[in-house]
Amino acid sequence: DAKTTQPTSMDCAEGRAANLPCNHSTISGNEYVYWYRQIHSQGPQYIIHGLKNNETNEMASLIITEDRKSSTLILPHATLRDTAVYYCIVRVYQTGANNLFFGTGTRLTVIP
Amino acid sequence: DTGVSQDPRHKITKRGQNVTFRCDPISEHNRLYWYRQTLGQGPEFLTYFQNEAQLEKSRLLSDRFSAERPKGSFSTLEIQRTEQGDSAMYLCASSTTGVQQPQHFGDGTRLSIL
Repeated sequence: DAKTTQPTSMDCAEGRAANLPCNHSTISGNEYVYWYRQIHSQGPQYIIHGLKNNETNEMASLIITEDRKSSTLILPHATLRDTAVYYCIVRVYQTGANNLFFGTGTRLTVIP
Repeated sequence: DTGVSQDPRHKITKRGQNVTFRCDPISEHNRLYWYRQTLGQGPEFLTYFQNEAQLEKSRLLSDRFSAERPKGSFSTLEIQRTEQGDSAMYLCASSTTGVQQPQHFGDGTRLSIL
């Protein structure tokens, strides 16, 4: 799986958009980008995933650059409940290899 | 709530004891995963089932660890002769079969070894 690089921590003002970057310069053509987050004392929560097109759901938007070497997770209106560790994962599913590699993620703190 | 359920949420035991955790996946999810998470780190993969078949094991899964999914529904993870280094959060996830299907996680069992 391709390696990802994320900032260790970020702050965002409540009500503003939170933009979380992820670099994955060695991504291959069949690898998807997944985002999960983990709020303290809870299990990771799936947010969104994509291959090359931008994706949006009720939680967030995922913007993937045209060369696919980086992506940005956007939380459009951050709330205090969005304070969590956000993990960017690049993964291709294939027979015999189904685990996710989480890394250490970005700790997002939403400030009142 | 029909999410992934794990039991117990917390377990405290003395070194050398055996412990068993249970995971109930989302119904109709035929894939089930176990991960371990230590403080300040992201989750690390331990093992994976498709239905009742254990198809993948990490080298983290020492011979003191055993996982089962006898009927392809719930799963158990047993740790024998626990050691201090086994203290961690043990997370279970499930997914449907299919390319790119996301894994959905439970809230884990926190194990503390005295």
